[in-house]
Amino acid sequence: EADIYQTPRYLVIGTGKKITLECSQTMGHDKMYWYQQDPGMELHLIHYSYGVNSTEKGDLSSESTVSRIRTEHFPLTLESARPSHTSQYLCASSDSREDGYTFGSGTRLTVV
Amino acid sequence: GEDVEQSLFLSVREGDSSVINCTYTDSSSTYLYWYKQEPGAGLQLLTYIFSNMDMKQDQRLTVLLNKKDKHLSLRIADTQTGDSAIYFCAESNGSGAGSYQLTFGKGTKLSVIP
Repeated sequence: EADIYQTPRYLVIGTGKKITLECSQTMGHDKMYWYQQDPGMELHLIHYSYGVNSTEKGDLSSESTVSRIRTEHFPLTLESARPSHTSQYLCASSDSREDGYTFGSGTRLTVV
Repeated sequence: GEDVEQSLFLSVREGDSSVINCTYTDSSSTYLYWYKQEPGAGLQLLTYIFSNMDMKQDQRLTVLLNKKDKHLSLRIADTQTGDSAIYFCAESNGSGAGSYQLTFGKGTKLSVIP
């Protein structure tokens, strides 16, 4: 049973639209992460948060923004979607090193 | 910075053993992980090994760690078609319990031939 939820699972939108990808977890984890996964499988960290009101940019430059107003919620927003944003977006959370990351099922975004 | 390397593809016959290899560069890594990703899904943690261990076994999975060579492997015994997936190696970095990140390899796509 998934404890971290991403919506929507699939999204097709037009260029220039503003979108928000939702990520929620019920485990009370402080740390949350957003990854972009390209078709070649590689994962790129785009944002992370170590707690409420704490957000940092990851290794991959991204035109997206995130917020962390509540522990359980870590939404990612694209102000103006472009075809180059077409990708799979994965959200994850963590609590301890032993448990690693728990991933959501992902949102597959297509910008046309 | 830290780097994790894996071969991209592996093909095995059903019933054989699969061995997926990974090398990493961060000598201070404390935990190393194996994740599995099935088509259209997120990553699922399969197992992890702490850096003071050489081997960890969990049913059909065996993890071997060679700290001297910074080499990690995942062996899947009696590989089944349901094992077909992408397998990611990852290592943790960062100090203290308050902040850490995982560095992931690029993934190895395992194809099981019936």
